[in-house]
Amino acid sequence: NAGVTQTPKFRVLKTGQSMTLLCAQDMNHEYMYWYRQDPGMGLRLIHYSVGEGTTAKGEVPDGYNVSRLKKQNFLLGLESAAPSQTSVYFCASRPLLAGGSYNEQFFGPGTRLTVL
Amino acid sequence: QQQVKQSPQSLIVQKGGISIINCAYENTAFDYFPWYQQFPGKGPALLIAIRPDVSEKKEGRFTISFNKSAKQFSLHIMDSQPGDSATYFCAARSGGSNYKLTFGKGTLLTVNP
Repeated sequence: NAGVTQTPKFRVLKTGQSMTLLCAQDMNHEYMYWYRQDPGMGLRLIHYSVGEGTTAKGEVPDGYNVSRLKKQNFLLGLESAAPSQTSVYFCASRPLLAGGSYNEQFFGPGTRLTVL
Repeated sequence: QQQVKQSPQSLIVQKGGISIINCAYENTAFDYFPWYQQFPGKGPALLIAIRPDVSEKKEGRFTISFNKSAKQFSLHIMDSQPGDSATYFCAARSGGSNYKLTFGKGTLLTVNP
């Protein structure tokens, strides 16, 4: 059981280039999230998904797109990277629980992205 | 608009001391308040969490104190150890079906031996 995995771990892009970050979870979780973490800014939600085929915008969605074609995968795309998108990106997932039980989000190890 | 304010930004404590991190929120619709712990190079991991109908929750050396009327909650780490050195994030969840968390900006805790 690998939990939440992210690919790649590190990436350097030039301004204007595009790339896709992959998040995979093997826990059969319904919910998946993409966050970015910047120094002194905490974790900010970019996009999230409440199930296969559904996505929604979070707090800072501009410049990013997402897709959830399979339940276990959540992709984050940057169509035209900008230096302001230099950050550490975390994916998280959580199960669909009934009865108001625990609501833990499980995080991946992160992807460190630098845009020059 | 930051909905969860966390302080201090950084904290240095001696081994065996008590570490205290505070958070305040504005949205009265928040219904779940977790604390996440993050070690360098790793993703955050749930440490402890509380619901607003409880004033205190303790798990080992970690305690959450919750003051609903003041809209504040805090993490207390008793007998702090060097292995507790990490960044701590408080968070709050808005009710509804999307289970989004709003995070504080984090506190870097250093426990000196």
